[in-house]
Amino acid sequence: QVQLVQSGAEVKKPGASVKVSCKASGYSFTNYDIHWVRQATGQGLEWMGWMNPNSANTGYAQKFQGRVTMAITRNTSIGTAYMELSSLTSEDTAMYYCARGYSSTWYGNYFDSWGQGTLVTVSS
Amino acid sequence: DIQMTQSPSSLSASVGDRVTITCRASQSISTYLNWYQQKPGKAPNLLIYAGSSLQSGVSPRFSGSGSGTDFTLTISSLQPEDSATYYCQQTYSTPPWTFGQGTKVEIK
Repeated sequence: QVQLVQSGAEVKKPGASVKVSCKASGYSFTNYDIHWVRQATGQGLEWMGWMNPNSANTGYAQKFQGRVTMAITRNTSIGTAYMELSSLTSEDTAMYYCARGYSSTWYGNYFDSWGQGTLVTVSS
Repeated sequence: DIQMTQSPSSLSASVGDRVTITCRASQSISTYLNWYQQKPGKAPNLLIYAGSSLQSGVSPRFSGSGSGTDFTLTISSLQPEDSATYYCQQTYSTPPWTFGQGTKVEIK
């Protein structure tokens, strides 16, 4: 079955960087995009960006441009996606999710499988 | 960026009630609209994609409709396990693919 397993919780100081991983299994890794979405406690969902594991193309929300980097490593059908966020502030304290993105001309794009989330806490 | 506005922000209904949540886009998005359910402490779960297509494994009491700027998620007969927050998301054209602010559904 499709699984996205994320790395564990992180505590970082302001100004530091954090790197979250998302290990995918159960499907052909290069056939689906990987998206990153974050959610501050008690708040809504915020789309951060995406990466195509086949082409390595990326796209980031303007809010995170210059601060976020998305990358992947892959071995045949198994792959791991990474999201690194730099220059952290307390406003970056949130749960970070990776999600598998399905894309088609007819149905558009949607996120049909999600990781369990990684809590990133930024505190001095 | 396309803005998504959901209403109401929260609602309380009884088991068996028909529940409707509305999502409005700031511009036409055709039918590129998805709905997710999120329970406390869990990741979101896809319910509806492309406006009205039911995701595999999702209960048929959930349905979606709409096109252009106005969309609706309907729960035909509310069950206790439907207590959750529901989000719409647009994926029209190119990113960013924005979410609505969420609608919290509680059981009376």
